Amino acid sequence: DTAVSQTPKYLVTQMGNDKSIKCEQNLGHDTMYWYKQDSKKFLKIMFSYNNKELIINETVPNRFSPKSPDKAHLNLHINSLELGDSAVYFCASSQGDGRDTEAFFGQGTRLTVV
Amino acid sequence: QQQVKQSPQSLIVQKGGISIINCAYENTAFDYFPWYQQFPGKGPALLIAIRPDVSEKKEGRFTISFNKSAKQFSLHIMDSQPGDSATYFCAATYSGTYKYIFGTGTRLKVLA
Repeated sequence: DTAVSQTPKYLVTQMGNDKSIKCEQNLGHDTMYWYKQDSKKFLKIMFSYNNKELIINETVPNRFSPKSPDKAHLNLHINSLELGDSAVYFCASSQGDGRDTEAFFGQGTRLTVV
Repeated sequence: QQQVKQSPQSLIVQKGGISIINCAYENTAFDYFPWYQQFPGKGPALLIAIRPDVSEKKEGRFTISFNKSAKQFSLHIMDSQPGDSATYFCAATYSGTYKYIFGTGTRLKVLA
């Protein structure tokens, strides 16, 4: 019974394609996030949503469009994929703003753009 | 000011030894400092966290030491085990930010 689940786990696609990553959490949390982990393992926030509302868009290109249909889901759609988008994308959730609470991460989606 | 600097980048320790990872920050608004552990192919998982009103927090073999005046904090892993081999991230946040600022990570290898 996975707390934060992302699909797919692996995604290999060609440059210029459009792809989506789905995320669902069953923890009852009100905040969800997308983080990007590059080849050097650096973890960087991309988006934060609280109660389905966008809170943070951390200077991410507008080719990336998150959508939160409800508090339990946060999907990420990427248009016109570029080589530099290759990375591992993590979905996470927490209760509130993450301070004094645990953020739970999914197992990641490894995106490879060829 | 939003950065968290982490060192070393990699660390090799003998089984039973002490692993020490250091982090430093500039933004004095940060008031919650978690450490996350990540195994290959998995997402980060919370290990231990501290607030700046205490100087030390211990959970089992894991201890965070916090120096508010120096704006530094560190993770100590006592009696390090091969199963501790993973990447460790320090992080920082404060109320209302809805994000963690992560350090650059430390790849720990514990030799059997």
